[in-house]
Amino acid sequence: GAGVSQSPRYKVTKRGQDVALRCDPISGHVSLYWYRQALGQGPEFLTYFNYEAQQDKSGLPNDRFSAERPEGSISTLTIQRTEQRDSAMYRCASSITPPGSSSYEQYFGPGTRLTVT
Amino acid sequence: KNEVEQSPQNLTAQEGEFITINCSYSVGISALHWLQQHPGGGIVSLFMLSSGKKKHGRLIATINIQEKHSSLHITASHPRDSAVYICAVRSDRDDKIIFGKGTRLHILP
Repeated sequence: GAGVSQSPRYKVTKRGQDVALRCDPISGHVSLYWYRQALGQGPEFLTYFNYEAQQDKSGLPNDRFSAERPEGSISTLTIQRTEQRDSAMYRCASSITPPGSSSYEQYFGPGTRLTVT
Repeated sequence: KNEVEQSPQNLTAQEGEFITINCSYSVGISALHWLQQHPGGGIVSLFMLSSGKKKHGRLIATINIQEKHSSLHITASHPRDSAVYICAVRSDRDDKIIFGKGTRLHILP
């Protein structure tokens, strides 16, 4: 496919369970970003990668959240011991930017809607 | 104070009206995005700007780096333009993306 894909599209989980959300960026894109969007709110930055290196994780809410991109392409956002307040749409985006470049366009995936019951 | 401020927060207009949405930011940036979020939730990147002006169809985006301000204009607005328009900037210090809270636009037929 030509765009950013995410899986699963919908995830319902019980409180206390771990979840893993996957992002498959556009092939060749260097930068990958994770965002969270609660219902009725704007997007909130979580973390981003250039290649496999996590550049900034200051937006991750707490240590239950982690992300990896081990081979510089697919990324996984993991939430351990989920809580109801984690319920949100989790989106990723990718851009072609080489590190240090200011010229880029972000392409967003469709998101994973996580519901914690 | 938020680092990215948008105005207005909500805007209702009649079909055909010229629409302006404003974005002001307080950080140094390497680029600014205008995004459109449809009622179904999907996000589309409309423009990426680092200077000047860009036009795509009925949409025009401008940025004034010295004044730290950008505007998104929609000419001959149409009900299908109804969406949330979000301004986002990329910090030139740490590459972090900072979002505005969005402007909810509703175009009446």
